[in-house]
Amino acid sequence: AQRVTQPEKLLSVFKGAPVELKCNYSYSGSPELFWYVQYSRQRLQLLLRHISRESIKGFTADLNKGETSFHLKKPFAQEEDSAMYYCALSGTSGSRLTFGEGTQLTVNP
Amino acid sequence: DTAVSQTPKYLVTQMGNDKSIKCEQNLGHDTMYWYKQDSKKFLKIMFSYNNKELIINETVPNRFSPKSPDKAHLNLHINSLELGDSAVYFCASSQDLGVTGELFFGEGSRLTVL
Repeated sequence: AQRVTQPEKLLSVFKGAPVELKCNYSYSGSPELFWYVQYSRQRLQLLLRHISRESIKGFTADLNKGETSFHLKKPFAQEEDSAMYYCALSGTSGSRLTFGEGTQLTVNP
Repeated sequence: DTAVSQTPKYLVTQMGNDKSIKCEQNLGHDTMYWYKQDSKKFLKIMFSYNNKELIINETVPNRFSPKSPDKAHLNLHINSLELGDSAVYFCASSQDLGVTGELFFGEGSRLTVL
């Protein structure tokens, strides 16, 4: 079974402050991890995937297999980062993407 | 030229009615999905189809019946609607079954059952 946990439903920071959205996963094989984002009144879209090792809109996420975590980080939050963020996992057998419960990030001016 | 489109965007109906939500993708993807987002914003997969063939059928009441007339369309029909069916339903597609790539989502269809 695969499971994704995002312990914080709500996260509020001030503009310019660092932000970290936590994600932990449970999967017996080798997972592929993703972060999806849903801005207000927009569709859910991919933000980044661990396999690409990329930085998108200043966000990065590192897969830590020892801690089974895939936390999303940004050193300086911006107001436009306010959105709902979902961590997601795909197993090696594919066929499904399991989402965490989501974290609503609010960046205050 | 929207990639994944759903209709209707909003649907308000009475308990006991039957309703359908349509989804179409013009990305040439092989796999399509239905996800349910409840009032707490929790996203849960309901169904996935690959080339018109049902691949995933989560523990969903059989009042929900997906239909895929071709690989570009995946419609969701719901019989005997209940209050608990109120949610936002998202359609999505991906290149293939492996989900090693990206899921493309529709804008969602907000269903309210009174």
